[in-house]
Amino acid sequence: DIVMTQTPLSLPVTPGEPASISCRSTQSLLDSDNGNTYLDWYLQKPGQSPQLLISTLSYRASGVPDRFSGSGSGTDFTLKISRVEPEDVGVYFCMQRLDFPITFGQGTRLEIK
Amino acid sequence: EVQLVESGGGLVKPGESLRLSCAASGFTFSSYSMNWFRQAPGKGLEWVSSISGSRNYIYYADSVEGRFTISRDNAKNLLYLQMSSLRAEDSALYYCARAGSSAYWGQGTLVTVSS
Repeated sequence: DIVMTQTPLSLPVTPGEPASISCRSTQSLLDSDNGNTYLDWYLQKPGQSPQLLISTLSYRASGVPDRFSGSGSGTDFTLKISRVEPEDVGVYFCMQRLDFPITFGQGTRLEIK
Repeated sequence: EVQLVESGGGLVKPGESLRLSCAASGFTFSSYSMNWFRQAPGKGLEWVSSISGSRNYIYYADSVEGRFTISRDNAKNLLYLQMSSLRAEDSALYYCARAGSSAYWGQGTLVTVSS
């Protein structure tokens, strides 16, 4: 199984400041057949189901503000928020869907200072 | 608007069975693979099972293989998860989700397994 490891697990951020979350996988998530990297980012707001933020490494989902961006390659990935807003609080998960079983990082809880 | 509405959760005793349903709308259901995920209270996310649009491909997590069965009715836009031999560790909020690059999750249905 591909193990996903996120850091940090807790992230206090002042509104307006940037934030960054890292995710590492034990195997490359690059599909050599098509060049896609199957790493997604989700945000689970309090009391809600997870919502897709970033798909396939760096593609923002519909309706996601452009302050969110995804980057990385191979086994190392980063979610960046250019300026944190109060509504960004919640738990952020990375997920790999290159291979079954689909696996998730432990989650990073973003809180507002 | 995409909508996924899960139902069928509840309180059952260990060893009993339960069938979850997920009603899909707002997209061409048969064109998408679908997933079931779960989340125990206060815990992280766990993938449970996947089924392709045409039912050609079905996958299960090791933790549920042989006990859970995923299925779908493309004519009725319904996804199912038949769960048997339930254990306490199966207690969780179960989500159905559209798979792929435009993933979308429902709000979940709660399954509690307790004597």
